[in-house]
Amino acid sequence: LAKTTQPISMDSYEGQEVNITCSHNNIATNDYITWYQQFPSQGPRFIIQGYKTKVTNEVASLFIPADRKSSTLSLPRVSLSDTAVYYCLVGDDTGRRALTFGSGTRLQVQP
Amino acid sequence: NAGVMQNPRHLVRRRGQEARLRCSPMKGHSHVYWYRQLPEEGLKFMVYLQKENIIDESGMPKERFSAEFPKEGPSILRIQQVVRGDSAAYFCASSPALAGVNLNIQYFGAGTRLSVL
Repeated sequence: LAKTTQPISMDSYEGQEVNITCSHNNIATNDYITWYQQFPSQGPRFIIQGYKTKVTNEVASLFIPADRKSSTLSLPRVSLSDTAVYYCLVGDDTGRRALTFGSGTRLQVQP
Repeated sequence: NAGVMQNPRHLVRRRGQEARLRCSPMKGHSHVYWYRQLPEEGLKFMVYLQKENIIDESGMPKERFSAEFPKEGPSILRIQQVVRGDSAAYFCASSPALAGVNLNIQYFGAGTRLSVL
C-alpha cells in the first residue's frame, strides 16, 4: 500500500476554507484516494474518495493532479464542528482490504 | 438502517481477566474489520473477517487475541489474560461484499474503550 504524508496539525477560523494536502508519491495505478474524518471518542467516518481530477460531495471537495502523487481535501467554510483528525488513505480493492491509517492531520477550528 | 454497533462502549478489566468486544455490522455487510487505536495515534489494523472465516489476521498478536464472526450473531474480539498494554480503543468496521463497489470505504462503529487496571 502506498505510504501517505500529511501535516500533523492545522489551525483555522470559522468560515474559512481549509485545504489539507496529502503526499503519496508511490501511488499505484489501481489505487484510489480516500479521506476519513475522526472526532474525539468516535470511529472514523468516510468523507470522500477519488481517483483523478476533482470530486465534490455535500461535505468536501477532493483535488487530484494529473500525476496523482498528491491530493488536497478542501473543506469550504469550516465551522467549530469540523474540528477533528483527517486521514488520507491510499489503496485498492484487490487483495488486502485492510485500511492503513497514518497519524492524520489534526484540524483545530477557532471561533 | 442502523450503523455499526459496538458494545460495550467502555470496558474495565483487571490484569489477567478476559475481555470480549462485540460488533454487529451494518445490515447487508458481510465483511468485518477490527482496528486498535492508542491515544494520539492512527488506527492499526488487526483482523479482517467474513462470515465464519478469518481472511487476514496479520495485524493481530499471535497470543491472547482471537476473533470470530459466526454465521449468526455479532463478531467477537476476544483478549485473554489482559495486560495494561492492551488498554486502547478498539474499533470495528464493516463493508459490503461487492468487490469494486465503494472501494476502500468502511463504516466504523463508535468503538470500545478498554481500560486494564
